[in-house]
Amino acid sequence: SQTIHQWPATLVQPVGSPLSLECTVEGTSNPNLYWYRQAAGRGLQLLFYSVGIGQISSEVPQNLSASRPQDRQFILSSKKLLLSDSGFYLCAWGKTPKFSGNTIYFGEGSWLTVV
Amino acid sequence: SQKIEQNSEALNIQEGKTATLTCNYTNYSPAYLQWYRQDPGRGPVFLLLIRENEKEKRKERLKVTFDTTLKQSLFHITASQPADSATYLCARPLGNTPLVFGKGTRLSVIA
Repeated sequence: SQTIHQWPATLVQPVGSPLSLECTVEGTSNPNLYWYRQAAGRGLQLLFYSVGIGQISSEVPQNLSASRPQDRQFILSSKKLLLSDSGFYLCAWGKTPKFSGNTIYFGEGSWLTVV
Repeated sequence: SQKIEQNSEALNIQEGKTATLTCNYTNYSPAYLQWYRQDPGRGPVFLLLIRENEKEKRKERLKVTFDTTLKQSLFHITASQPADSATYLCARPLGNTPLVFGKGTRLSVIA
């Protein structure tokens, strides 16, 4: 069976500090990978998605970036965090190549508080 | 512009009643809609998918409808229980991009 791991679960970072959130998927190959953010009172916002190694699509321009160094590894980064980066970050994966009928499976999330 | 909307932020119902949550979409009808459940502090969990050519889909106490004329999907939980309390999200594909989610409706089932 497939599993998705995301870490760290919580972190408190000062403004201007770097960020690295990591996500790995087990039990499947060539998954579509996603990073979503859920801010307080707002819905799930798609940040990045990837259909293959080194292929990253950005949905929202901001000071965050994503990388996919391996097939089942997805990393969310920032060089300098802003207060507005605080939120609940969710990594997710799906199977189908063109997203049609694509059920998404989410990780447990990472709570980021920028202070 | 908002492509998918869940107009009710919160819904309170009595245990045993049927909960009905609404999801409206704009633009063209998607090939399918999905419903997810999210518990506080957790990632969403997939519940049901309904395709454009399906009027209704059922899974145990859950029922989803898809009305392309009204551009609306309804999500029903029959014989609701306190354990059904959670936020429910609907989602749709949009072109060649991944799922777009509504803001969710927080359901509270009161014993």
